[in-house]
This record gives sequence, C-alpha cells and structure tokens, in this order.
Amino acid sequence: AQTVTQSQPEMSVQEAETVTLSCTYDTSENNYYLFWYKQPPSRQMILVIRQEAYKQQNATENRFSVNFQKAAKSFSLKISDSQLGDTAMYFCAFMKVGGAQKLVFGQGTRLTINP
Amino acid sequence: DGGITQSPKYLFRKEGQNVTLSCEQNLNHDAMYWYRQDPGQGLRLIYYSQIVNDFQKGDIAEGYSVSREKKESFPLTVTSAQKNPTAFYLCASSNRDGYEQYFGPGTRLTVT
Repeated sequence: AQTVTQSQPEMSVQEAETVTLSCTYDTSENNYYLFWYKQPPSRQMILVIRQEAYKQQNATENRFSVNFQKAAKSFSLKISDSQLGDTAMYFCAFMKVGGAQKLVFGQGTRLTINP
Repeated sequence: DGGITQSPKYLFRKEGQNVTLSCEQNLNHDAMYWYRQDPGQGLRLIYYSQIVNDFQKGDIAEGYSVSREKKESFPLTVTSAQKNPTAFYLCASSNRDGYEQYFGPGTRLTVT
C-alpha cells in the first residue's frame, strides 16, 4: 500500500517570501502521478500542480513549482512570491497509473501568509 | 457553468438515522468519487464509480452505501452502521483515466 507523509503540520511566512512544503511517499510502483492540492478556508479542494513520475522535468505552474526526487521519493512544493490568497491547507497526494484511480493523501500542511 | 454541486452544505442528523448526501456533476465525467475528511487528516476514499451502474469500495467503505444510476449523479448514504459519521464529505469527478479529479464544495455532516 502507498503512504504519503507531510512532516510539517503548520508553516507561516511573510507575504512575498518563498516557502517550500515537504512531502515524502512510499510505494513500490514505478509509474504514478503526484499532486499538490490546496484547500482554502472555503474548504474547496483545488488542484495546484501535477507531476508524472516518468517525467524528469519538474512541473511548474506560474508561482508554483515542485522538486521531484524519484529515488528519494520526495515531492516538495515551492511557492514563490507568496500572496495572502495562498493561505490554505496544502495536501500532497499520490495516484498509481492503471487500476483503480485512487488518490492517497498526506495529512496536510496548514500554510499561513502574513501581511 | 460546469462543475460539481453538493447539497446541502451543512447537514444535521440524530444518531441511528440514515442520511443521503447529494453529488451532481455536469462535466460529462465518467468517474465519480466520495472522500471523507476528518480534522488533522487528509482525505480518505469511501467509494468510487468509473461508469454508470458500477462502483467499488474504497479504503473506508464500511457503514456507507452508494448508487450510480445516472452519469451525473453519485449519492452517498451514511447508514446507522457507520460508527463515527460526523465528518466533512467531499465528492469528486474525473475523466475515465482519473488523473485529474475535480472536487465539489463538500458537505459537513454532524450526527448527535
């Protein structure tokens, strides 16, 4: 079974700073996807970024980028030029390719951006 | 606007009663999912359906039931057999490959 671990329950930074959220996972699969989801106070889950395990290039979406280290089973999220609207819970998630499309989530990191 | 709707936003029930949570999508997605979220935890999969009239148990299916009679709808029933039903419930949908799931706004269920 796959597990996803987020070791930082809470983080806090000043607006415009860069912040990195950590995620590690455990799997014996070779082909999978990794995701970062954002859950703001409205509790709506929003997909931030996705990484295919077979791609060596790290995914980027505007101010959001990942550092994917497949051998280390590490998948961190970097938020550059942080904004007040980035305040949210962030969840790392894993899905293996093929079979049931099950997302396995980490416990989440509560990120607060201070003005 | 395309999207996923869940109703109601807040739901209160007495212990021992069954309750059904609604989930509707107009994204023309084949697959739909139900997740449960408890404080301090990530989401856990309850049930999922990849096609109409078919569904599979997720990791925590005990005490729950679902149906998938229409492509657009995937209601979840929380039965009296579910020992700790108070939680936040999220519905999601995706294309059949499932690699990008879109979530509804959720329903907060409180059972007393």
